Amino acid sequence: DAMVIQNPRYQVTQFGKPVTLSCSQTLNHNVMYWYQQKSSQAPKLLFHYYDKDFNNEADTPDNFQSRRPNTSFCFLDIRSPGLGDAAMYLCATSGPLTTDTQYFGPGTRLTVL
Amino acid sequence: GQNIDQPTEMTATEGAIVQINCTYQTSGFNGLFWYQQHAGEAPTFLSYNVLDGLEEKGRFSSFLSRSKGYSYLLLKELQMKDSASYLCAVRDSNYQLIWGAGTKLIIKP
Repeated sequence: DAMVIQNPRYQVTQFGKPVTLSCSQTLNHNVMYWYQQKSSQAPKLLFHYYDKDFNNEADTPDNFQSRRPNTSFCFLDIRSPGLGDAAMYLCATSGPLTTDTQYFGPGTRLTVL
Repeated sequence: GQNIDQPTEMTATEGAIVQINCTYQTSGFNGLFWYQQHAGEAPTFLSYNVLDGLEEKGRFSSFLSRSKGYSYLLLKELQMKDSASYLCAVRDSNYQLIWGAGTKLIIKP
């Protein structure tokens, strides 16, 4: 089945210790998104890629970086996680049309100790 | 600014019908989405409306009125597995998705 996969599902890190979350997709979608979602809040878009073109949201902290080495994979790097970065991180993909639906992976729950 | 409003929480009874409302104020409009999100899981797509009217999909229906900036999600024959959060999202003139905080639906036997 075509899908969006995120690894790991749960990640525990220490304050200030870099962490990388990964996302892969078999949908062959052009667009990939990273969202941060805290409890009972709306998903917050961090950045997205249209193919290799990177689009950073204006309020995304510099602490968050991303890489997309090929169509299938996308990574979220948190260089120095703080307690406020504990959240669910959601990867989503969509086709190239602006009307296309976004499909989400299962998410990675990040805990910062 | 851009804003999506949904009730924070609703309670309904198994087998009943519930309507979850969403009002929006966005810079432009290019479609409205409803997603279901179970606790600790990712959102899953339910419906998409871009024209006024009702879209029916099994037990779920979604309605849109663009002139009123209003949508609702109607769930019929409620089942316990429908307990989840329901998120409304609007695509604005820049084709960005603006998300509501979600409505937590609690189903009681």
